[in-house]
Amino acid sequence: AQKITQTQPGMFVQEKEAVTLDCTYDTSDQSYGLFWYKQPSSGEMIFLIYQGSYDEQNATEGRYSLNFQKARKSANLVISASQLGDSAMYFCAMREVPTGNQFYFGTGTSLTVIP
Amino acid sequence: DTGVSQNPRHKITKRGQNVTFRCDPISEHNRLYWYRQTLGQGPEFLTYFQNEAQLEKSRLLSDRFSAERPKGSFSTLEIQRTEQGDSAMYLCASSWEAGPLLGYTFGSGTRLTVV
Repeated sequence: AQKITQTQPGMFVQEKEAVTLDCTYDTSDQSYGLFWYKQPSSGEMIFLIYQGSYDEQNATEGRYSLNFQKARKSANLVISASQLGDSAMYFCAMREVPTGNQFYFGTGTSLTVIP
Repeated sequence: DTGVSQNPRHKITKRGQNVTFRCDPISEHNRLYWYRQTLGQGPEFLTYFQNEAQLEKSRLLSDRFSAERPKGSFSTLEIQRTEQGDSAMYLCASSWEAGPLLGYTFGSGTRLTVV
């Protein structure tokens, strides 16, 4: 069974600082993808970054980077140069790739950026 | 393309009433998914359609829940005899079967409150 664990219910970060949001996972799939989504108070799930299980390099997308440690089954999100607009819920998720139909989500981390 | 559209955005209903939500996917997407997100949790998979066929259902989808996608375009999710435990955000997502890995797009959700 697939399981995503996010152990930080809430995090605070000073504006312009970097922050790391933790995610560990468990799966029996050989080929899987790890995703991070941002959910503002309006409710929509906004895709941030993706890491494939066979990708050797850590993914980066602008201010977002994913610290992927396969042996430890962790996929932490690093946000650099935090902005006030980064305040939101952040969810780590996993899906079998390329054919998986459903996401498995963690319980999320609420990030607050302090001016 | 306006993305995945869900209506209504908010619904308040009395316990025991029936409710129906609608999801309009991205027009070229042939797969449509429903998720439920309760307070403090990540989204949990309910069901998915490929065209008009409902191909997978979660254990979470009790017999009070029914989903349809009659013409392979929009979908409806109906909850009969609502209970307070049904209070949640109901998220819809869509994708193209043979599309890019990252083409799985979520809507903004319908927030249901059962009083």
